[in-house]
Amino acid sequence: KNQVEQSPQSLIILEGKNCTLQCNYTVSPFSNLRWYKQDTGRGPVSLTIMTFSENTKSNGRYTATLDADTKQSSLHITASQLSDSASYICVVSSSGGSYIPTFGRGTSLIVHP
Amino acid sequence: DAMVIQNPRYQVTQFGKPVTLSCSQTLNHNVMYWYQQKSSQAPKLLFHYYDKDFNNEADTPDNFQSRRPNTSFCFLDIRSPGLGDAAMYLCATSRARGASGNTGELFFGEGSRLTVL
Repeated sequence: KNQVEQSPQSLIILEGKNCTLQCNYTVSPFSNLRWYKQDTGRGPVSLTIMTFSENTKSNGRYTATLDADTKQSSLHITASQLSDSASYICVVSSSGGSYIPTFGRGTSLIVHP
Repeated sequence: DAMVIQNPRYQVTQFGKPVTLSCSQTLNHNVMYWYQQKSSQAPKLLFHYYDKDFNNEADTPDNFQSRRPNTSFCFLDIRSPGLGDAAMYLCATSRARGASGNTGELFFGEGSRLTVL
């Protein structure tokens, strides 16, 4: 069964600090992995999309890594800002069988001033 | 410009009173999805359309129905809302599998938050 596990479930950091969120998946065969940011009461917005051949991808202060061998991804946030407070959801798609993506439960990040 | 638009953003209804949520898209994507998201949980897929083909998830209650009259619009009908149906309902779209340049990315609307009194 395709599964996506995220850790930690929640995280509180001080403004200006860095943090790393983790995503482990069992989706196979793998197609791509996406990180979404969801602000409270809003729809998710895509941050990065990573395919099998990509190890690292950056989007401003957000850097995602992918290790397709260990089936792990991380999202690193540098110099956090108050506006980074949100839920971060890892979504993995398969290249075979169902095209419906598998969602993680998300990591809730709170950035305190 | 918004590409997936959901209306209304907030809906309050009474127990058992039917509700319709709408979703429109300007992306001309083949696939449209409806997700239910409760507090601190991942979005849960209710059903999706691949073009006109309707695909219902096995555990989606019969209380939930959907219509897609054309490529741009999709509706979620909740026939008799219960207290447990209070949630954020997210509409999303994606390009068809195999389409040129398709990364499988989901484009979400802002959601419709349903409150059941």
